[in-house]
Amino acid sequence: AQSVTQLDSHVSVSEGTPVLLRCNYSSSYSPSLFWYVQHPNKGLQLLLKYTSAATLVKGINGFEAEFKKSETSFHLTKPSAHMSDAAEYFCVVSVYTGGFKTIFGAGTRLFVKA
Amino acid sequence: GAGVSQTPSNKVTEKGKYVELRCDPISGHTALYWYRQSLGQGPEFLIYFQGTGAADDSGLPNDRFFAVRPEGSVSTLKIQRTERGDSAVYLCASSLKGTGRDEQFFGPGTRLTVL
Repeated sequence: AQSVTQLDSHVSVSEGTPVLLRCNYSSSYSPSLFWYVQHPNKGLQLLLKYTSAATLVKGINGFEAEFKKSETSFHLTKPSAHMSDAAEYFCVVSVYTGGFKTIFGAGTRLFVKA
Repeated sequence: GAGVSQTPSNKVTEKGKYVELRCDPISGHTALYWYRQSLGQGPEFLIYFQGTGAADDSGLPNDRFFAVRPEGSVSTLKIQRTERGDSAVYLCASSLKGTGRDEQFFGPGTRLTVL
């Protein structure tokens, strides 16, 4: 069965410090993996995606993620948090089931302290 | 250009009533997805269209839920005999090809409240 687990429901960091949001996945097939961000009262927006090319993926706003097949992980990082990064982050896996089914993790709420 | 739009933005209904939620995808996008997001949770997959046909409807919770996309563009999610547990934000997304690798563009959602 395919699934996504986001290991932290909440993460709190100080502005200017690194961000780490953890995601593990389970998939019988070679997956496509995504991170989406949801700001309050705004729609979901793609941050970055992995689709079997380079394992280190760079996204918007300074975020990046590394696909580690041996660890079945796809953790999201950013070297220096900004206040505007405060939002809900979702790790997503796309799996083939005859069509493409998209499975979201439960989300990680990122708080950034001044 | 225009993004994905959803109407209405809010819908309040009474238990047992029928509701329709509409999604207008980005023009030219062949794939369209419906999700349900309950408070504090991630979006839950409901159904995915490739063109006019439902490629995967395994996420529809029961036969009270039905979705159509008759001309391969606009889609309507229909809920019969609504229950209080159906209260959630219903999200629609579209993507260019629906290959599983392409970005999904999300609408703002319809907040459904069943009293």
